[in-house]
This record gives sequence, structure tokens and C-alpha cells, in this order.
Amino acid sequence: DIQMTQSPSSLSASVGDRVTITCQASHDISNNLNWYQQKPGKAPKLLMYDASNLETGVPSRFSGSGSGTDFTFTIGSLQPEDIATYYCQHYDNLLFTFGPGTKVVI
Amino acid sequence: QVQLVESGGGVVQPGRSLRLSCAASGFTFSNYAMDWVRQAPGKGLEWVAVISYDGRSKYYADSVKGRFTISRDNSKNTLYLQLNGLRAEDTAVYYCARDVVRGHGDAVDYWGQGTLVTVSS
Repeated sequence: DIQMTQSPSSLSASVGDRVTITCQASHDISNNLNWYQQKPGKAPKLLMYDASNLETGVPSRFSGSGSGTDFTFTIGSLQPEDIATYYCQHYDNLLFTFGPGTKVVI
Repeated sequence: QVQLVESGGGVVQPGRSLRLSCAASGFTFSNYAMDWVRQAPGKGLEWVAVISYDGRSKYYADSVKGRFTISRDNSKNTLYLQLNGLRAEDTAVYYCARDVVRGHGDAVDYWGQGTLVTVSS
């Protein structure tokens, strides 16, 4: 089974900061990776798919990169509304595996 | 607009059963694979199960395999999750989610509001 890890587990940043989250897979997963944002008390929201593609309607300050086992998710300029927990998710023929999440606070 | 509305959660004793339902509207339900994803209180997301658009293929997380059963009724636009042999560690909010093709893979683009299952004696 593929295991997903994320770091850091939480981070504190200021408005306008560049924020970077990493996600690591236990085996090569190509670019079969999505990123989600979950705000407190809300359902998650898809931000990025195939590691680096922005979902329609998602602000361009969000970006992603990586392939194989190492992936990066970046918020180019942190905004107050970006306070949330971010999850990477591996997909493989309908099966999903979520990372443990990274909580972003201001 | 797409709507997913879960129901059936509640407090149940360990070892007992529960059936969750998810009523879908605003899209052609029979065209989409559907998932259940759960989130224990204060914890992260855990994928539970998926069912193909026609109900022929079903896959489960190892943590629920043999205890939970996913099913669907396309004539009623409803997704189900039968939870048997419940354990304290199954306590979570259970989300119904629509599976969609994105790029060369799958993702979830719509989620329900979730239904809370609490397993406690």
C-alpha cells in the first residue's frame, strides 16, 4: 500500500507570506496526486489535480509541483481566507489515500 | 446545483450496525462513481469506500473491509453505506462525495455536509 506523509503538520505564517507544504509518497506515484483545502467545520475543496493543475475557479496564488515521490504545494501570497488544513491525496484506479494534513494558521 | 445530503448517522453501541444514506440531486447520478470519506473528531480525512457508476465495482479501505458495504440505487439517486460490527474507532463524520475525472485520474469535486456516527456504549 502507498503511504502518504506531509510536512509540516502545522505552520504559522503572516499575510503575504509564501507558504510551502510538502507531500511524500512511499512509492513512485507519478503525478497521481490531488490537493484539497478544508476550512474549519466545512467539507474539503479540490484545489489541484495531477500534482500541478489548478482546479477551475481556484486562485492562481495556489500552485503545485512534483512527480514520483516528492510533491510541493505553494501558496504564493497567504491571504486570511487561506486559513485551513491542506491535504494531499493519491489516486489509483478509484482508490484514494489521503495525507495526514497540514494546518495553516496566521 | 449539485447537492449531496447524508442521513442515518447517530449514536450506536460497539458491535451494532447502521446504514447511512446519501441523496444526490442536481446531476446525473448514474454517470458518476461515488465515495464515502470519513473524518474522526479533530483528525484528518480517511477514504472509506468507492463504488463505480454502475455499482459493479466496489473498493474498500483495509480498515473497513469485511465490515462495511457500499451500494447505490441509481433509480433513487441514492448512495448507501452499511456499517456492521462498529468499533469505537469508526466514530467520525462520514462524507458522501462525488468522484470525477480530472486530468488522467480521479478526484472529488462535491461533498455532502457529513453525518456523524458515534460508536459508544
